[in-house]
Amino acid sequence: NAGVTQTPKFQVLKTGQSMTLQCAQDMNHEYMSWYRQDPGMGLRLIHYSVGAGITDQGEVPNGYNVSRSTTEDFPLRLLSAAPSQTSVYFCASKETGTGGTEAFFGQGTRLTVV
Amino acid sequence: AQSVSQHNHHVILSEAASLELGCNYSYGGTVNLFWYVQYPGQHLQLLLKYFSGDPLVKGIKGFEAEFIKSKFSFNLRKPSVQWSDTAEYFCAGRKGSQGNLIFGKGTKLSVKP
Repeated sequence: NAGVTQTPKFQVLKTGQSMTLQCAQDMNHEYMSWYRQDPGMGLRLIHYSVGAGITDQGEVPNGYNVSRSTTEDFPLRLLSAAPSQTSVYFCASKETGTGGTEAFFGQGTRLTVV
Repeated sequence: AQSVSQHNHHVILSEAASLELGCNYSYGGTVNLFWYVQYPGQHLQLLLKYFSGDPLVKGIKGFEAEFIKSKFSFNLRKPSVQWSDTAEYFCAGRKGSQGNLIFGKGTKLSVKP
């Protein structure tokens, strides 16, 4: 049971560099999302997707791009990293449907931008 | 805008003390509510969830929460905490079953042995 897998677990970037945080799930969930966690701020939604080919912005989308070409994968791209993007990033997925369902979270990626 | 509020930033208790962490949400109608726990250096784990039905929800590790619709609250309780409960606790909610999950800012719990 892999669940939601995020890579890498840790990353250090220099200001201005770009990178992609990977997220994959093997539960055939339609809904996937990215959050960032900062001290005292809880988790804030960056982007989300309700299915392949469909993405939308969350609360804090600036500086991040996403795409959803397959059901399984939902990568998060930082085009030009800034120190303000130093954070822990969590990917989550859940089923969609009429009933309530819980979200499953990945292990997180700790990103430091210097 | 939809929001979830947690009243306490940091709670310090001695072992065997009772715990209650407050959580309020801002939206009416059908809600799904959750409590997650994050142990130091680890990812989020689901403690319990409320979708409908019995407003008293029991979760893992002896935790429970009560959904009080009239107060827009979903407080987390545990009758007797242990040192191993030291962690950060997040309340989260969404409108209906399809909305985006919105998190509170978290409450750090420190349990002194």
